[in-house]
Amino acid sequence: AQSVTQLGSHVSVSEGALVLLRCNYSSSVPPYLFWYVQYPNQGLQLLLKYTTGATLVKGINGFEAEFKKSETSFHLTKPSAHMSDAAEYFCAVTGGGADGLTFGKGTHLIIQP
Amino acid sequence: DSGVTQTPKHLITATGQRVTLRCSPRSGDLSVYWYQQSLDQGLQFLIQYYNGEERAKGNILERFSAQQFPDLHSELNLSSLELGDSALYFCASSGTFGGEQYFGPGTRLTVT
Repeated sequence: AQSVTQLGSHVSVSEGALVLLRCNYSSSVPPYLFWYVQYPNQGLQLLLKYTTGATLVKGINGFEAEFKKSETSFHLTKPSAHMSDAAEYFCAVTGGGADGLTFGKGTHLIIQP
Repeated sequence: DSGVTQTPKHLITATGQRVTLRCSPRSGDLSVYWYQQSLDQGLQFLIQYYNGEERAKGNILERFSAQQFPDLHSELNLSSLELGDSALYFCASSGTFGGEQYFGPGTRLTVT
C-alpha cells in the first residue's frame, strides 16, 4: 500500500523566488513517484517522474525533484517562480505494477507579483 | 494536449439516474485508468483496464462499473446517482505499468 503527504495546502512565493513544494511518501515496494500540475478547469499535466536510476529528476517548465529514500521524500523545486506557475500541484506514487496512482491532497501555489 | 479525449465535458443529471462517461486513450496505450476528483476526497483511483481486461480496482463503488472495448476506448458507468457523486471524473492512459499516466481533460458531473 502507498500513501502521500503534501505539507502545506497553500504555498505563497514572490515572483522570482525559489519554489519548494514538499512531498513525503510511504510505500511497501520501491516507489515510482510523479509530480503533476493542474491549472483551473483543466486536466493534470505531468511535470516529472522518478522510476529508477538518477535521484535528481528534471522536468518541464524548469522544475526538478530529488528522490531521497532515507527521508522518503520527493520535494519539487524551481529556482525562480513565474506568474504562470500559479496552479495546483499534486505528488503521486505507485508501486509500478498494475495499479493506479495514489495522490496527495495537493498544494496550491500562489505567486505574488 | 495529452492525446487522451473524454466526452462529455459537462453532465448534469438528477439523483437516481444513470450516466456513461467515455474515454479514448492516447494512440498505442493499452492501459486506461479512471479517477474521481472531489473537494471531499481529493483525487482517487477508481479502476484500471489493460487491453480489455480489468487489472486493478481502487475505491470504486458497487454502483459504478467500467469496461474497455476492443478499440481500447473505455466507458465508466455510474448508476443510482447520489448528490455525493458530483465530481470531476478523469481518464488517464499509459503505455506501461508504473509508467507515466497521461490525463484527459475530465468530465464534470453534477447531480441535482
